[in-house]
Amino acid sequence: QLQLRESGPGLVKPSETLSLTCTVSGGSISSSSHFWGWIRQPPGKGLEWIGSIYYGGSTYYNPSLKSRVTISVDTSKNQFSLDLSSVTAADTAVYHCARRPSGSGFDYWGQGTLVTVSS
Amino acid sequence: DIQMTQSPSTLSASVGDRVTITCRASQSISSWLAWYQQKPGKAPNLLIYKASTLESGVPSRFSGSGSGTEFTLTISSLQPDDFATYYCQQYNSYSEGFTFGPGTKVDIK
Repeated sequence: QLQLRESGPGLVKPSETLSLTCTVSGGSISSSSHFWGWIRQPPGKGLEWIGSIYYGGSTYYNPSLKSRVTISVDTSKNQFSLDLSSVTAADTAVYHCARRPSGSGFDYWGQGTLVTVSS
Repeated sequence: DIQMTQSPSTLSASVGDRVTITCRASQSISSWLAWYQQKPGKAPNLLIYKASTLESGVPSRFSGSGSGTEFTLTISSLQPDDFATYYCQQYNSYSEGFTFGPGTKVDIK
C-alpha cells in the first residue's frame, strides 16, 4: 500500500524559508504515470495547490506562489521536497504531499503536517 | 487563473436524501475535474476524476457529471458516513494552476 509522509519543522519564523520533505513508501517515485504534489490548507479554510513535480524533474507551480516556491525530487531516497521562501503568517497551514496519476486527481495523500509561521 | 465556485456553501440534509453539489469553472476545463471528500483532521479522499469516473473503492452512490464549465456531484442516498466537506478541483492545465473550489459542507439536518 502506497504511503506518503511529510516531515519538517512545525514552526518557521517570518521571512525565513519553510522546508518540507515527503517520503514515499510502498511504491516508486520514479513512476512514468504519476506526478507528485504539495497542497496546503490554512486552519479552517480550503485547499490550495502549491505545485507538482515529475520524477524526471519537471516542475509546475501555482502562479500565485511561483516566485517563492521550489519543488525538487530525490529518486534515490524516494522523496520530494518543498521550499517556500519569505514566509509570512499567511503561510500558516497544514501542508500535504500527494500523488496524482496522469489524467486523474490526487489519489494518495500524506496525513499532513501543520506549519506555523510565527516569531 | 481559472476560478472555481461551488454551490451551496453549506447543505443540510438527512440520511437517505439525494444530494447535489454544483461546481462551476470560470472557463472551459473540458472534463478535467475531480471531486474530494474531506473529514475534520483528515486528508481529502478522491471520489471522482475526469468529471464522472468513480475512483476505485468509492461507493456507487457517488456520481459525477458535467463538462466544460459546469459540473455536479450527486450522492444518491446520503449515508451517515457522508457528512463531510466536498471540494471540486480542476486540473486542466499546469500553466493555469490546479484550482480547488471553496468547498461545500454537508451537515445533518
